[in-house]
Amino acid sequence: GAVVSQHPSRVICKSGTSVKIECRSLDFQATTMFWYRQFPKQSLMLMATSNEGSKATYEQGVEKDKFLINHASLTLSTLTVTSAHPEDSSFYICSARDGSLSGNTIYFGEGSWLTVV
Amino acid sequence: GENVEQHPSTLSVQEGDSAVIKCTYSDSASNYFPWYKQELGKGPQLIIDIRSNVGEKKDQRIAVTLNKTAKHFSLHITETQPEDSAVYFCAARNDNNAGNMLTFGGGTRLMVKP
Repeated sequence: GAVVSQHPSRVICKSGTSVKIECRSLDFQATTMFWYRQFPKQSLMLMATSNEGSKATYEQGVEKDKFLINHASLTLSTLTVTSAHPEDSSFYICSARDGSLSGNTIYFGEGSWLTVV
Repeated sequence: GENVEQHPSTLSVQEGDSAVIKCTYSDSASNYFPWYKQELGKGPQLIIDIRSNVGEKKDQRIAVTLNKTAKHFSLHITETQPEDSAVYFCAARNDNNAGNMLTFGGGTRLMVKP
């Protein structure tokens, strides 16, 4: 089946630094990718929708200057948490939409644990 | 917009018993309903989905039913096993919308006791 690879799976960074998380669709072209944030024991919260070659659409309350999203190719989207603070510590998950005629299914990456110290 | 409610939030069953998780949605235009299983520390994985043109779909021990009139859909797991223990999320989407965004339920933590 379709695979979405997310890297790194775990990252620890110092407060004030920036960290980049990559999301790749390995065997399909993903014209649309989504980034979620998940707090412990809670559901997934959509942060932004990213379309290849265009600016991401951010959900209300999500700071676009803090969470930079780049979707430069049909198989790669990146989320950069800038000037990270401890409250940004969370589980970040990407998903990618397989837009092929037989699909239109959304597949998730394995997630990235971010700890800001 | 769409709103998805999921119940129960936690469910504990004995190994071999059945488990049922229910979701309701608000937007009658939603026509795609996937279920995801999320194991501890991992991303959600699609386990089964159903589209609004069918009322039931089955895959081995897992089945999903959809009642469009009542706007609710359910996940049924039979002969549960300890490895079924995870958090399950239902979701709804209107495939006619260009955005193709999923709206998730709050999740159900399923615990299967050996």
